[in-house]
Amino acid sequence: GAGVSQTPSNKVTEKGKYVELRCDPISGHTALYWYRQSLGQGPEFLIYFQGTGAADDSGLPNDRFFAVRPEGSVSTLKIQRTERGDSAVYLCASSSRGSRSYQETQYFGPGTRLLVL
Amino acid sequence: QKEVEQDPGPLSVPEGAIVSLNCTYSNSAFQYFMWYRQYSRKGPELLMYTYSSGNKEDGRFTAQVDKSSKYISLFIRDSQPSDSATYLCAMSHGDSWGKLQFGAGTQVVVTP
Repeated sequence: GAGVSQTPSNKVTEKGKYVELRCDPISGHTALYWYRQSLGQGPEFLIYFQGTGAADDSGLPNDRFFAVRPEGSVSTLKIQRTERGDSAVYLCASSSRGSRSYQETQYFGPGTRLLVL
Repeated sequence: QKEVEQDPGPLSVPEGAIVSLNCTYSNSAFQYFMWYRQYSRKGPELLMYTYSSGNKEDGRFTAQVDKSSKYISLFIRDSQPSDSATYLCAMSHGDSWGKLQFGAGTQVVVTP
């Protein structure tokens, strides 16, 4: 596809439920990133993948949050026992190689708006 | 205290004016400095990036980095109503290039 796509675009759930958010990166991009953006704030880093492995998961707030990328392409962010404070826009980005020696351009998707009631 | 500080605005300017945006930061390890533009209900889009200190110009946009003062700026000349958006500064360093640290974003409104 032309850009990063994320599904669903909106998700409403109840406190305590489990949710999965999906990200399809730009074709051929090997690095994938997840960020969370609360209202009126900038994106906050969660995790980044090089291929199938998590290169840096230091931003995951607690063990309720988990992300996978089993085949090195599509990624799923999983949130267990959702809380009202998890309400935010979850952004996914990808870059071509995830270089270890310089900053690559990260291309962002439109985000998934999660509302926990 | 956040590592990257940015005034949230809103900043309202008339069409044709120069828009001046800035961020300060506390982590001297930051080496890459970026400006993203985000329209409502869209993902951020990269506008400019600069490595280390100096100036960079691209069309109507100029980015400046002063590492000694830990201060970065973005200037938009001849502003247009289509420039109305939220502008986010972002930074990274060599220990984790993938981890962008963003400011809170400044909302800019350009009035016709």
